[in-house]
Amino acid sequence: AQSVTQLGSHVSVSEGALVLLRCNYSSSVPPYLFWYVQYPNQGLQLLLKYTTGATLVKGINGFEAEFKKSETSFHLTKPSAHMSDAAEYFCAVSANNAGNMLTFGGGTRLMVKP
Amino acid sequence: DGGITQSPKYLFRKEGQNVTLSCEQNLNHDAMYWYRQDPGQGLRLIYYSQIVNDFQKGDIAEGYSVSREKKESFPLTVTSAQKNPTAFYLCASSRGGISNYGYTFGSGTRLTVV
Repeated sequence: AQSVTQLGSHVSVSEGALVLLRCNYSSSVPPYLFWYVQYPNQGLQLLLKYTTGATLVKGINGFEAEFKKSETSFHLTKPSAHMSDAAEYFCAVSANNAGNMLTFGGGTRLMVKP
Repeated sequence: DGGITQSPKYLFRKEGQNVTLSCEQNLNHDAMYWYRQDPGQGLRLIYYSQIVNDFQKGDIAEGYSVSREKKESFPLTVTSAQKNPTAFYLCASSRGGISNYGYTFGSGTRLTVV
């Protein structure tokens, strides 16, 4: 079985500040990890994903995430927040023994203050 | 361009009525999914289908029904048995049998009971 925990349902940062959204997973086999972003009244859009290879993954809109196996984490970061980053962010995990099914975290709403 | 189309974007239902939400994809994906989203509750899986003419219940299937007669289409019917249907509904699809691909999402349908 696999699971995802996103620490902090709401995160608030000032414009220009570092964005850090936390994601921890559990999986009995090597995982595939994903971050999605959802803007109000829209569907989810893939930000980035880790499958194999380099553990630091770069995505769209200046976001990146690092897979740390020892910490079972896949935290999402962005050096400098922009007002347009305000959205809900979802971490998800899948594994070879789960077919193509994703397990999603509960989501983190990012608020950016001017 | 390939993608997933959900229609309508907004839907209003009177109590006691059944309504059907449309989801069509032209990505040639084998698997399709329906999620319900309520404020502060993340994504909850209603039904999923890994192949045509087959589908499985998710975590909150009561009061919902689906069909998968064509690869491209996975309509969701919200029946009168669903006591609290007001929510945002998301459809997604993915390639079959590959767990590192992730999902592609539609733009959602917001259903309101009036």
